[in-house]
Amino acid sequence: SQQGEEDPQALSIQEGENATMNCSYKTSINNLQWYRQNSGRGLVHLILIRSNEREKHSGRLRVTLDTSKKSSSLLITASRAADTASYFCATSNTGKLIFGQGTTLQVKP
Amino acid sequence: DTAVSQTPKYLVTQMGNDKSIKCEQNLGHDTMYWYKQDSKKFLKIMFSYNNKELIINETVPNRFSPKSPDKAHLNLHINSLELGDSAVYFCASSQGPPGTYQETQYFGPGTRLLVL
Repeated sequence: SQQGEEDPQALSIQEGENATMNCSYKTSINNLQWYRQNSGRGLVHLILIRSNEREKHSGRLRVTLDTSKKSSSLLITASRAADTASYFCATSNTGKLIFGQGTTLQVKP
Repeated sequence: DTAVSQTPKYLVTQMGNDKSIKCEQNLGHDTMYWYKQDSKKFLKIMFSYNNKELIINETVPNRFSPKSPDKAHLNLHINSLELGDSAVYFCASSQGPPGTYQETQYFGPGTRLLVL
């Protein structure tokens, strides 16, 4: 299956610290996307990185992609309590997005 | 000015009933989706429509029938509801289908379905 697997499943840090989440997948992809889901809400798109890109930044977010290792990481710098949410990677290849099971991030004030 | 809206937000019903969930997007997108998220937060694609045509139809019981009356609407009808159908159902839309350069998806708030 192409399904992404995220690591860790849960992460708890203090406000101001950096948070790193990893995603691994199994088949070749067109792109990889990261989404955030706040409790009880829908998913919100954060960033998309294409298969020919290695790194992308958006505000406090930094995403890397290593297609040789079939893995990606999402780094949130200087975390805030408002970053508390679940974070999902999603891979795109076969005409649909396949989501991982997510990393639940708790940022303590 | 909600971009992707779903109704109802909550749905509690008895086993065996038939129910519908409605979705509307005002983003002018061509592609719409239905996802199911289970209690472990696993999100799985069910259906996708592009310009009112079905393009993705995953292995879903045929009790689930999507309908797209126009590009801005995608409804989901579920017949003979079962306990295992309890989940959160998300509608999403994108400007173009996955595999294009317009595939960022915008999600609705979800419909929490509980089958008793």
